[in-house]
Amino acid sequence: AQSVTQPDIHITVSEGASLELRCNYSYGATPYLFWYVQSPGQGLQLLLKYFSGDTLVQGIKGFEAEFKRSQSSFNLRKPSVHWSDAAEYFCAVGAGNGANNLFFGTGTRLTVIP
Amino acid sequence: NAGVMQNPRHLVRRRGQEARLRCSPMKGHSHVYWYRQLPEEGLKFMVYLQKENIIDESGMPKERFSAEFPKEGPSILRIQQVVRGDSAAYFCASSRSGSPTDEQFFGPGTRLTVL
Repeated sequence: AQSVTQPDIHITVSEGASLELRCNYSYGATPYLFWYVQSPGQGLQLLLKYFSGDTLVQGIKGFEAEFKRSQSSFNLRKPSVHWSDAAEYFCAVGAGNGANNLFFGTGTRLTVIP
Repeated sequence: NAGVMQNPRHLVRRRGQEARLRCSPMKGHSHVYWYRQLPEEGLKFMVYLQKENIIDESGMPKERFSAEFPKEGPSILRIQQVVRGDSAAYFCASSRSGSPTDEQFFGPGTRLTVL
């Protein structure tokens, strides 16, 4: 069965520092992978997605993610964090087999300090 | 183009009452998904609907929960005889097609509190 693990519950970085949020998935075939961001009291916004092709995916707000099949990972990165990036980040994998619901990780809360 | 609309944003119910959560998908979207987010957890899929059809309800609790997406009007998630464990944020998402590669757009959620 599909599953997603986000090992870091909470990460704190200084503004301007680089960021990497980890995501590991369990899936039998080539997965559909997503990163979403959730600001407090808001819904989820899609940052980027991977279906096939180039394993380095560019998203909105300066984020990128790299799909590594050998490590079953899809880590999210940003070279320089802004205070407005403070939010909850969720990695998700598509259900597969023609189904299109998503399996989400438990999320990583990002705090940005000045 | 308005996004996915959910109402109410906050809903308080006493144990045993009914909760009705509404979701209006984005214009042009005919596929709706409901997810539940318990405190400190990620979103869990509940049900996937198209107009007048339930496509996948594998994530729905077997009792007290039901969903519909009528030909006209919003999708409704209904919880009968609510219990404290139903307290959560309920998110609706919509997509244009049923393709797994089609982006799901999320609403702001309804936060249900059961007293």
